[in-house]
Amino acid sequence: DAMVIQNPRYQVTQFGKPVTLSCSQTLNHNVMYWYQQKSSQAPKLLFHYYDKDFNNEADTPDNFQSRRPNTSFCFLDIRSPGLGDAAMYLCATSEGTVGLSPLHFGNGTRLTVT
Amino acid sequence: DQQVKQNSPSLSVQEGRISILNCDYTNSMFDYFLWYKKYPAEGPTFLISISSIKDKNEDGRFTVFLNKSAKHLSLHIVPSQPGDSAVYFCAARRDSGGSNYKLTFGKGTLLTVNP
Repeated sequence: DAMVIQNPRYQVTQFGKPVTLSCSQTLNHNVMYWYQQKSSQAPKLLFHYYDKDFNNEADTPDNFQSRRPNTSFCFLDIRSPGLGDAAMYLCATSEGTVGLSPLHFGNGTRLTVT
Repeated sequence: DQQVKQNSPSLSVQEGRISILNCDYTNSMFDYFLWYKKYPAEGPTFLISISSIKDKNEDGRFTVFLNKSAKHLSLHIVPSQPGDSAVYFCAARRDSGGSNYKLTFGKGTLLTVNP
């Protein structure tokens, strides 16, 4: 089945220790997104790639970076995680960004910062 | 600035009855609306959508109603089943152009369907 896969499902890192979350897709979608979701909050868009074009949200901290080496893979790098970065990180893909194009989500990575 | 609001954090209904999940939005430029369902430990999955040129869209047990003048939409589930117990997110997007791709989510409503 075509899908969006996030690894790992659970990640524990220490305060200030860089961490990378990964996402892969078999849907061959041209757009990949990273969302951050904290408990009882709406998923918040951090950035997205439209093909190779990177689009950062204005309020995404510099501490968050992303890489998309090819169509199938996208990475979220947190350079110096703080306690406030503990959250669920959701990767999503879509075929285009307009109209009723739905996002297809992975199961997320739950990040804990100690 | 929360542009998509789901004011009921939770809703509990009996199996077989109707579930009505509400969503309000403040941005009159939103043209497309999507509902997602999320089970614990899973990512959100797309459920149903509606564009602003319509006021109703139906898919099996799920119907979404849109009232543009009130900036309000609702998701109806009839009949509700225990497997429908999940968090439901409302999301909205503007028409194409510039940064209007962004899908803005509400905080979600936890639906519990009791057997």
